[in-house]
Amino acid sequence: KAGVTQTPRYLIKTRGQQVTLSCSPISGHRSVSWYQQTPGQGLQFLFEYFSETQRNKGNFPGRFSGRQFSNSRSEMNVSTLELGDSALYLCASKLQGAADTQYFGPGTRLTVL
Amino acid sequence: EDQVTQSPEALRLQEGESSSLNCSYTVSGLRGLFWYRQDPGKGPEFLFTLYSAGEEKEKERLKATLTKKESFLHITAPKPEDSATYLCAVQAGGTASKLTFGTGTRLQVTL
Repeated sequence: KAGVTQTPRYLIKTRGQQVTLSCSPISGHRSVSWYQQTPGQGLQFLFEYFSETQRNKGNFPGRFSGRQFSNSRSEMNVSTLELGDSALYLCASKLQGAADTQYFGPGTRLTVL
Repeated sequence: EDQVTQSPEALRLQEGESSSLNCSYTVSGLRGLFWYRQDPGKGPEFLFTLYSAGEEKEKERLKATLTKKESFLHITAPKPEDSATYLCAVQAGGTASKLTFGTGTRLQVTL
């Protein structure tokens, strides 16, 4: 079974721009969560989507948004990029149950200049 | 607020030298505790899920245990390929998929 895939793997943007990241979950998985990983803050939860609806949200500003499509694929958007948004953005998928294990993709490395 | 503290921050072992990594947590109603391994530049790789105190799980040289306040990841006779950052995360009841992670233990195993 193919794992979680994320595209692109690397991105370089400048301050003020916006960016869209994509995540394809494991086949059959209906829940997709997004995390931000930085050296200073570690892994932090951004939000979760299930059945095209945001089911849970972390403490990030409104510049961070996402959506999920009917095939469970998800996108995450960051508008008005700031230097502090430079991070590894990780997507994780799971079947659907609350206690199901989340499986992570390889991440998208975003650098904001 | 859910909190996860991992210790030590870094650990250097010689091949074959067994040790344990600690994960202390405070959470309102533990739904699950997860261990992941992360190699540089890659996403976390799932290792174990523990649901209740007293539970233990094993995989090759790794064994995870859980009490009401902490979890241990025991590494028996490690090999250089076990070198990685080991992450612990908790999921609280009623928080859907939100995982709260510790900052990890960076393990280096040398010959």
